[in-house]
Amino acid sequence: AQKITQTQPGMFVQEKEAVTLDCTYDTSDQSYGLFWYKQPSSGEMIFLIYQGSYDEQNATEGRYSLNFQKARKSANLVISASQLGDSAMYFCAMREGNQGAQKLVFGQGTRLTINP
Amino acid sequence: DGGITQSPKYLFRKEGQNVTLSCEQNLNHDAMYWYRQDPGQGLRLIYYSQIVNDFQKGDIAEGYSVSREKKESFPLTVTSAQKNPTAFYLCASSRWGMRVQETQYFGPGTRLLVL
Repeated sequence: AQKITQTQPGMFVQEKEAVTLDCTYDTSDQSYGLFWYKQPSSGEMIFLIYQGSYDEQNATEGRYSLNFQKARKSANLVISASQLGDSAMYFCAMREGNQGAQKLVFGQGTRLTINP
Repeated sequence: DGGITQSPKYLFRKEGQNVTLSCEQNLNHDAMYWYRQDPGQGLRLIYYSQIVNDFQKGDIAEGYSVSREKKESFPLTVTSAQKNPTAFYLCASSRWGMRVQETQYFGPGTRLLVL
């Protein structure tokens, strides 16, 4: 069973608009972490934001925020005031349990294109 | 500056040849990882290592081998047994700890092509 589902293969947004990238996950663990990474055309994976399963408040990092709905098992990334440089692939990932080394499971990604 | 370096940026493999991808980090991280990414896909875990001289298979380890003789280095060998090695390979590292929120940081990647 797929653990991370990103249902939007591609999204097109006008510059300065807000955009929400969807992510749903499947786990039976009580302790888990959710990550969002950005992958520009250069290929490098850039860490954006983290949400822990026990965190009561939604995570925020600058223009990025995570809309965490635990009961629905969703962890959507919200980018406010989008910029041309936001055009990239975005991946949602999950780490389950408390283990020494992280084993991240990634979704298929969403390609975001910001139009001027 | 602390970070992760991968070399080469592009690598060409002939049929039946073993090739080795380099990954070095100076973040003082204990754990290191290798991922494979196929076009339009997410990342899949090949191998990971929590400490020196120890490593574990990930989801797609067949046809690959690794070593971890130094904390800073985690080279990946793509053997001739890997029949479809063309992909983008990403190395990552993280602190080792019993906390879910340890973030993995990635290198710039190596693109492997078969001649």
